[in-house]
Amino acid sequence: TQLLEQSPQFLSIQEGENLTVYCNSSSVFSSLQWYRQEPGEGPVLLVTVVTGGEVKKLKRLTFQFGDARKDSSLHITAAQTGDTGLYLCDDYSSASKIIFGSGTRLSIRP
Amino acid sequence: DTEVTQTPKHLVMGMTNKKSLKCEQHMGHRAMYWYKQKAKKPPELMFVYSYEKLSINESVPSRFSPECPNSSLLNLHLHALQPEDSALYLCASSQPTRAGGRYGEQFFGPGTRLTVL
Repeated sequence: TQLLEQSPQFLSIQEGENLTVYCNSSSVFSSLQWYRQEPGEGPVLLVTVVTGGEVKKLKRLTFQFGDARKDSSLHITAAQTGDTGLYLCDDYSSASKIIFGSGTRLSIRP
Repeated sequence: DTEVTQTPKHLVMGMTNKKSLKCEQHMGHRAMYWYKQKAKKPPELMFVYSYEKLSINESVPSRFSPECPNSSLLNLHLHALQPEDSALYLCASSQPTRAGGRYGEQFFGPGTRLTVL
C-alpha cells in the first residue's frame, strides 16, 4: 500500500516570509495533486504534476516534482494570510487506494 | 459549471434520527465519492461510485448507506449514528480513468458539517 507522508505537519510563520512543504511517497507517483483546504470548506485543487522534474508556478506558489517521481515540494514566496490552510497531496492515477497525505497545516500570522 | 454542491451545510441529529446528505455536480463526471474528515485530519475515503455503481466501500458501517440515483446526484443516508460519527462529510467528483484505476482529478464540494448528539 502506498504511503504519502507530508512534512512539516504544522508550520506557523510571519506574513512575508517564504516556506516550503513536502510530500513523499513510499512508491513512485503516477501523478500528484496538491490541494489547499480552508477551515470548514472542501479541498481545492491547486495543481497536478505528472512528469519527473516538472516545475509549475501558480502566482507565488512553485510546485516541483522530483526526478524519480517519489517526492514533491510546494514553495510559497512572500506568504500572505490568505495562504493559511491545510495543504494536502494525493496520487490519483495509480491502481491503489485513494489516499491523501497526512497534510501540512499552515498558519500565516499578520 | 465546475461546482460540486452539497446540502445541507450543517446538520445536527440525534442517534435515533434518519437523515440524508445530498451532493450534486453538473460537470459530466461519472465518478463520485464520499469522504469523512475529522478535525485536523486529512479526508478519509468512504465510498466511490463509478458509472452510478458502487465500486469501493471502505468497510464503512452499515449505518451509512450511499445511493447514486443518477450521474449527477449522490446521497448518503444516515441512520442510528453515533457521536463519534460527527465530522465534515465531503463529496467529490471526477472522471473515471479508462484503465479502471484511480479516478482522475477530483473536485470537492464544501462539505456538510454533521453533529450527532
